[in-house]
Amino acid sequence: RKEVEQDPGPFNVPEGATVAFNCTYSNSASQSFFWYRQDCRKEPKLLMSVYSSGNEDGRFTAQLNRASQYISLLIRDSKLSDSATYLCVVYDWGNKLVFGAGTILRVKS
Amino acid sequence: EAQVTQNPRYLITVTGKKLTVTCSQNMNHEYMSWYRQDPGLGLRQIYYSMNVEVTDKGDVPEGYKVSRKEKRNFPLILESPSPNQTSLYFCASSDTQTSGITDTQYFGPGTRLTVL
Repeated sequence: RKEVEQDPGPFNVPEGATVAFNCTYSNSASQSFFWYRQDCRKEPKLLMSVYSSGNEDGRFTAQLNRASQYISLLIRDSKLSDSATYLCVVYDWGNKLVFGAGTILRVKS
Repeated sequence: EAQVTQNPRYLITVTGKKLTVTCSQNMNHEYMSWYRQDPGLGLRQIYYSMNVEVTDKGDVPEGYKVSRKEKRNFPLILESPSPNQTSLYFCASSDTQTSGITDTQYFGPGTRLTVL
């Protein structure tokens, strides 16, 4: 079983749609959780951290469920510019960041 | 401008010819790391460094070496490259706290390596 698993997609959605991605992790001792965004052939960039209480940044909402060991990312009112690969990242003990393989989102007009 | 730079950006080489990919950051970050990204596998950590002269293996260190003689530089060395090291490589840096890595990893633009 992979340490961090994501549905690879692609998720094809129309502009204005709401889309949600889930990510599961295997290590119950994981400390911190993040979503990164990666555009084609570019470097990943931090989208948002994920807190136990859930957090929101504009159209983006991240949730953490420690009991079930998954995190989610909700994107409302999708824009064409949201098209990218979304990487789920988990910080384990030992200064190790574990990346999921990513979920591809394609927003179409 | 705060940034992580990598060179070269693209490299095609042949099996067994030693190469070095440089990585430099201007943010005075303590933590630096190298990742490789392959289709369907995501980013996998090769090596990381918590500070000068401190390096540790990540998940896939075989066939790679690193050094951290200065805080800003963290070169990746392939002593004898093989075709299975053909990949997209990213260097990253971040601040650290007493509890470990902070949330923001700053990535370089990537190096696309092809080993024939």
